[in-house]
Amino acid sequence: NAGVTQTPKFRVLKTGQSMTLLCAQDMNHEYMYWYRQDPGMGLRLIHYSVGEGTTAKGEVPDGYNVSRLKKQNFLLGLESAAPSQTSVYFCASSRLRDRGGNSPLHFGNGTRLTVT
Amino acid sequence: ELKVEQNPLFLSMQEGKNYTIYCNYSTTSDRLYWYRQDPGKSLESLFVLLSNGAVKQEGRLMASLDTKARLSTLHITAAVHDLSATYFCADWPPSFGAGTTVTVRA
Repeated sequence: NAGVTQTPKFRVLKTGQSMTLLCAQDMNHEYMYWYRQDPGMGLRLIHYSVGEGTTAKGEVPDGYNVSRLKKQNFLLGLESAAPSQTSVYFCASSRLRDRGGNSPLHFGNGTRLTVT
Repeated sequence: ELKVEQNPLFLSMQEGKNYTIYCNYSTTSDRLYWYRQDPGKSLESLFVLLSNGAVKQEGRLMASLDTKARLSTLHITAAVHDLSATYFCADWPPSFGAGTTVTVRA
């Protein structure tokens, strides 16, 4: 059982380039999230999805787009990378809040992105 | 505006002593989560606190929740080196605090 898998693990981009980060979960979770983690700032929510075909903005959505065409996958896109987007990106998933009550987030191992 | 605030942000612990990390949240969330992150690693769930007065314990860690005060605490008893990590609290929908980096020294 792989849990939450993120690809790639590392990436270096030049300013203005585009890329897509892929997140896949095999736990049949309804909710999926993308966070970025920067030193001293904890985790900040970029976008999230409450189900297949739905997405919503989080705290810091500017410069990012997402898609959730299949329940198990959540893609994060950077159309024109900027140095301010240098960060570690984490994908997470969870069950629906009202089922089982628990619903902690399950995290992937992260993608370290550097934009030069 | 920070919805979830942790303090302290850095905590140097002496082995064998007790310490507490505080998590204040400004939302009306009725549940609170604690996570642990080791350096260079991902986050793993420690506790899920689902109601006012909830208390969960595992090993040397004990977490509690006071929804009226919008306060959760993570208490560490007799700190040991392998508790060195960064601890995060989060409310629902998931908004994280800045994290408390814990270093346990001999």
